[in-house]
Amino acid sequence: DAKTTQPPSMDCAEGRAANLPCNHSTISGNEYVYWYRQIHSQGPQYIIHGLKNNETNEMASLIITEDRKSSTLILPHATLRDTAVYYCIVRSLGSGGQGGSEKLVFGKGMKLTVNP
Amino acid sequence: DTGVSQNPRHKITKRGQNVTFRCDPISEHNRLYWYRQTLGQGPEFLTYFQNEAQLEKSRLLSDRFSAERPKGSFSTLEIQRTEQGDSAMYLCASSLQGAKGYTFGSGTRLTVV
Repeated sequence: DAKTTQPPSMDCAEGRAANLPCNHSTISGNEYVYWYRQIHSQGPQYIIHGLKNNETNEMASLIITEDRKSSTLILPHATLRDTAVYYCIVRSLGSGGQGGSEKLVFGKGMKLTVNP
Repeated sequence: DTGVSQNPRHKITKRGQNVTFRCDPISEHNRLYWYRQTLGQGPEFLTYFQNEAQLEKSRLLSDRFSAERPKGSFSTLEIQRTEQGDSAMYLCASSLQGAKGYTFGSGTRLTVV
């Protein structure tokens, strides 16, 4: 089962910041927070990941609370092309005997609709 | 490199037939993953390979499903005696060991009639 909860949907106006929340209250110390998105009829696309520090790349910023029980993905200037299903996933790195798993456990995600 | 390539993009088959899908990962990626996605749901993990070794399999992968990656490059996923419940999008992804994220292909959409 997915270890994260997200609202089912959210709307955002084009050009505004989109703040996508995720709760992961049972996250353990070695688990990272990953974000992927899936545009209709395409495979999921990696966006960003983090452990406990805030992260930023060319696509988005990831803000993780100090207790790591929740996070927010920020798209600073949403465009129509950002309309997609966004998945928040927790995952430990390493496989098998290292205590982690290679698999990503996706929930249903959150549908972000960017409106003109 | 054009990313992860999956063929065919669409497959319609009759119940009871066997089907095979192919995935060509990004050439330098040593890990390859298969996922299945049904309408309205997130992708579900099926199996993954490191080079040619199949290291993890989901219990979703029944004995009608088999995956191979014989030379550590491309992979095939075969479904024998297809059932209507097998209708789904089958996604392949690849990564380098220790890399931050996977790269997914566009998937093969299977419809069993």
